[in-house]
Amino acid sequence: DSGVTQTPKHLITATGQRVTLRCSPRSGDLSVYWYQQSLDQGLQFLIQYYNGEERAKGNILERFSAQQFPDLHSELNLSSLELGDSALYFCASSVGGSNYGYTFGSGTRLTVV
Amino acid sequence: GESVGLHLPTLSVQEGDNSIINCAYSNSASDYFIWYKQESGKGPQFIIDIRSNMDKRQGQRVTVLLNKTVKHLSLQIAATQPGDSAVYFCAERPISSNTGKLIFGQGTTLQVKP
Repeated sequence: DSGVTQTPKHLITATGQRVTLRCSPRSGDLSVYWYQQSLDQGLQFLIQYYNGEERAKGNILERFSAQQFPDLHSELNLSSLELGDSALYFCASSVGGSNYGYTFGSGTRLTVV
Repeated sequence: GESVGLHLPTLSVQEGDNSIINCAYSNSASDYFIWYKQESGKGPQFIIDIRSNMDKRQGQRVTVLLNKTVKHLSLQIAATQPGDSAVYFCAERPISSNTGKLIFGQGTTLQVKP
């Protein structure tokens, strides 16, 4: 157990729908990162939050949004889902905002049908 | 056995042999590099890291080599074991980024034959 908790582990939904993925960071970690892993794109950085504030943004689609709450857990919202959004979504956490290396959760596997 | 990362995405080695996994990184300004191991159904797991002011770092059974001249990173695993079978990713942190954003390579699958 890495200490980073992601729920749900699996999610199957239809095109056009909206889903919310949840992440609880390791105790004491202030930063949360979201990554998308698909077969043809590898691990792609989506977004980072540090202590409730957005710190960095990657190639995150406008249909996707995220936030970090006062208790430091984070949610990634994916809307108007398309078949191509099917992927593994990983959350990671670290103590600082520009930390060297961080800990990943076990991911949420999203399947859009 | 040895791979060239992007060109040979699968490396197959005999148990007990040494493995070398290679990675060509993209940004000459990156200041920090990490190797992650990802087993099936799990998230990436930190193996070893190296800062750009070093060219070699050793851990338990693993060594990372950094050649900034040719933007090349390698991971050496000594006495490879079946439990080492996984996908290995290199990642880099762009120095211009005051964030924790990492850029990951495509990954190399390591298969260990008993």
